[in-house]
Order: sequence, then structure tokens, then C-alpha cells
Amino acid sequence: GNSVTQMEGPVTLSEEAFLTINCTYTATGYPSLFWYVQYPGEGLQLLLKATKADDKGSNKGFEATYRKETTSFHLEKGSVQVSDSAVYFCALSALEGWGKLQFGAGTQVVVTP
Amino acid sequence: GAVVSQHPSRVICKSGTSVKIECRSLDFQATTMFWYRQFPKQSLMLMATSNEGSKATYEQGVEKDKFLINHASLTLSTLTVTSAHPEDSSFYICSARERGGREQYFGPGTRLTVT
Repeated sequence: GNSVTQMEGPVTLSEEAFLTINCTYTATGYPSLFWYVQYPGEGLQLLLKATKADDKGSNKGFEATYRKETTSFHLEKGSVQVSDSAVYFCALSALEGWGKLQFGAGTQVVVTP
Repeated sequence: GAVVSQHPSRVICKSGTSVKIECRSLDFQATTMFWYRQFPKQSLMLMATSNEGSKATYEQGVEKDKFLINHASLTLSTLTVTSAHPEDSSFYICSARERGGREQYFGPGTRLTVT
């Protein structure tokens, strides 16, 4: 079956530091890949997505590239802010099964001033 | 665009009672809606998938008689937690998807506390 593995948190870093959250996946076919962000007490918001190999999703300074050869979709940001403190979820959606989302466990990111 | 709302945002109920949570797509027609449950500091667990006008499909281990899902229209799905118990306390999140689309749009979630 499909699965998503992402690095465990919490990840604690200082403001303006570089952030990487690793995400790898297992899936048949060509899934779409997503990063969602959840701020404290809120629901999920789509951060970025990529629908085919070598696509790069980007938003709010975050980037992730769909790497089929390494089955990865690592999230990066060059200079984090305190407001980026949140839980980040990597997810995939395959066409079969009505495109159900398979989530990783989530990675909590804490950015300190 | 693509806004999903949930109501209520928080609810407290007594053990043994039932509670209904609404999920609405405000500016698009949601042919498919999903219900998730999220435990503290954990990932989302898909509970069920519902397509408009048909019965929901529940994930393994989810009691369909306890978590009643109705997707009566293209803009509304409801989750009813029947005979709630403290272990049902959780954060319930819905999402909605348009026909032919891959992206799911998430509601803000409902915090259920059963006392």
C-alpha cells in the first residue's frame, strides 16, 4: 500500500536558519504530493504541491521538488521566521481509492527568536 | 475560493449523548468529502470517505454505527458521533474535493470534548 515517511520532530531552530524536513514515499503509479501546515489550534492548510516528477512546488518561501528517482519530496526554506512555527505534514494522493490522502506523521517545527 | 467550513468549532457534550458536526463547501460543489480524526500531536487518521448521494465508505477499524456520516448534498456532509464517550474526544477535520480534482480542501476542524 501507499505510505509516507517524514522525519520526526520536534525540529527546533533559530530565526533565519535553514529548514529541511525530509519526506519519502511509497506508492504505485504517479501520485500527487503535498505539504500541509497546521498552526496551533487550526485545521490544515495546503502549503504547496507537485503533481508530476521534477515539479517544484513553492509558496511563502517554502519549496519542495518531486523526485521520482529517490521517491522524495523534501521541504525546504532558506530563512525561517517565528511565524513558521507549526506542524508540517507531507502527504500523497493516488488516483485509485478516490484520491485519498495518505499523511506522514507530521513534523513539529519550533522557531525561536 | 475553495473554502470549507465546519460547525461547531468546539463542542462539549456529556457521555452517552450524540453530537453532530457539519462540514460545508462554501464556493464549490464537493462530490467527495473526507472525515479525519486527529489525536493530540499525531497525524490525521482517515475515518471515512463519502460521495454525494451514496453511503460512506469507512476505513478499517472505524465503527460505522458510531460515526454516522451523511453526504446529502453537494455542499454539506455531516458526522454524527452517537452515544459519545470520553475516548471519542478528539479533533475532527473534514475535507472536500471537487469532481475530477485531486486536491482536498480542509475545514478548520471541530474540537469535541466528551465529559
